[in-house]
Amino acid sequence: KNQVEQSPQSLIILEGKNCTLQCNYTVSPFSNLRWYKQDTGRGPVSLTIMTFSENTKSNGRYTATLDADTKQSSLHITASQLSDSASYICVLAPDDKVIFGPGTSLSVIP
Amino acid sequence: NAGVTQTPKFQVLKTGQSMTLQCAQDMNHEYMSWYRQDPGMGLRLIHYSVGAGITDQGEVPNGYNVSRSTTEDFPLRLLSAAPSQTSVYFCASSYRIAGGPSEQFFGPGTRLTVL
Repeated sequence: KNQVEQSPQSLIILEGKNCTLQCNYTVSPFSNLRWYKQDTGRGPVSLTIMTFSENTKSNGRYTATLDADTKQSSLHITASQLSDSASYICVLAPDDKVIFGPGTSLSVIP
Repeated sequence: NAGVTQTPKFQVLKTGQSMTLQCAQDMNHEYMSWYRQDPGMGLRLIHYSVGAGITDQGEVPNGYNVSRSTTEDFPLRLLSAAPSQTSVYFCASSYRIAGGPSEQFFGPGTRLTVL
């Protein structure tokens, strides 16, 4: 069973709309949970990083939440822009062996 | 700062050939790692290092060797290339915080094709 699962696999939204991406994990405990954005053909870029004890972390229009009881994290994107079209990856670091989720592919259309 | 640099950007190999993918960082990060990314799949950890002289295996280490003689450099060597190693390879670096790496910075990737 995958230790980090993400949903939906892909998502299409209209420019200006909000969306929420989900991450379910079985890894516990862990040092930190991060969300990365990966543009096509480029390396991932960090959006947020939360420790095990944090509930929420914001970075501009991106807000990540963490519920350690249900082992879920979400990434909420507000007022989407065309440049938000990318893959969004949930990443856990239980130790030095970092675990990447499969990502959610987001397309923002005019 | 250049951040994390990788060379080459593209490479085509024949089955059985060997080569080294280069990775360097100028942020004095202790932690460096190599990942491969295949279509439709998440990044998978190949090898990682928590400091000069220290390396360890990740999820998919077979067919790859690494060394870490300096803090800055972390080369990945393909011993005998196979078509299954066709992939995009990313190098990343970070500081270490309690229990593992902190925010990782990624290089631009190397696109490898093995014929």
